[in-house]
Amino acid sequence: EVQLVESGGGLVQPGGSLRLSCVASGFTFSNYWMHWVRQTPGKGLVWVSRIDGDGSYTSYADSVKGRFTISRDNAKNTLFLQMSSLSAEDTALYYCARDCSSPTCYSVFDSWGQGTLVTVSS
Amino acid sequence: IVMTQSPATLSVSPGDRAALSCRASQSLSGNLAWYQQKPGQAPRLLIYGASTRAPGVPVRFSGSGSGSDFTLTISSLQSEDFALYYCQQYNNWPPDFGGGTKVEIK
Repeated sequence: EVQLVESGGGLVQPGGSLRLSCVASGFTFSNYWMHWVRQTPGKGLVWVSRIDGDGSYTSYADSVKGRFTISRDNAKNTLFLQMSSLSAEDTALYYCARDCSSPTCYSVFDSWGQGTLVTVSS
Repeated sequence: IVMTQSPATLSVSPGDRAALSCRASQSLSGNLAWYQQKPGQAPRLLIYGASTRAPGVPVRFSGSGSGSDFTLTISSLQSEDFALYYCQQYNNWPPDFGGGTKVEIK
């Protein structure tokens, strides 16, 4: 069974940093692209970042480019999101999601973790 | 790409049919997915490629449409189907989600 378990969320002051983690199990982690998607009541679901299977390719939403860094440790089946220069607009529930990673469904999110809540407030 | 879902809320009786609409601001070439989200849970993939059910998804869920207009149909609503439903385009980068349709008990 595919499992994705996020951690690392919490309360952080504006301008601060936070590192999210997502531990994967039940599949060959290195074979899959992985994503971070965030959700807020106001903006709904918003894609944040993605990384390929060996970590050599990454991309970001314009809203987080230059502030967030996605990475992975395939030996530990773990995905990361390093977030810096946080603002209130980054307050959200952050999900890690597995990419379908098949020619017919790249960028379809076929498994999701339960999310970790990030709150940016003074 | 702007994804517009309608209606925002759909009130349906158990056993009835529900049709949820998703419209894109440009053609998606069939690269459209649907997700279900229940309170306190993560989204769950239902449909991709506009009409292909994900593994384990009941046959009462079906997707249709092409170009920029798509529909998710639930043929006979069960109690566990009352939830939020999102569409997502993956034809253009970055992927975009619709604002969601809440299916509630009438």
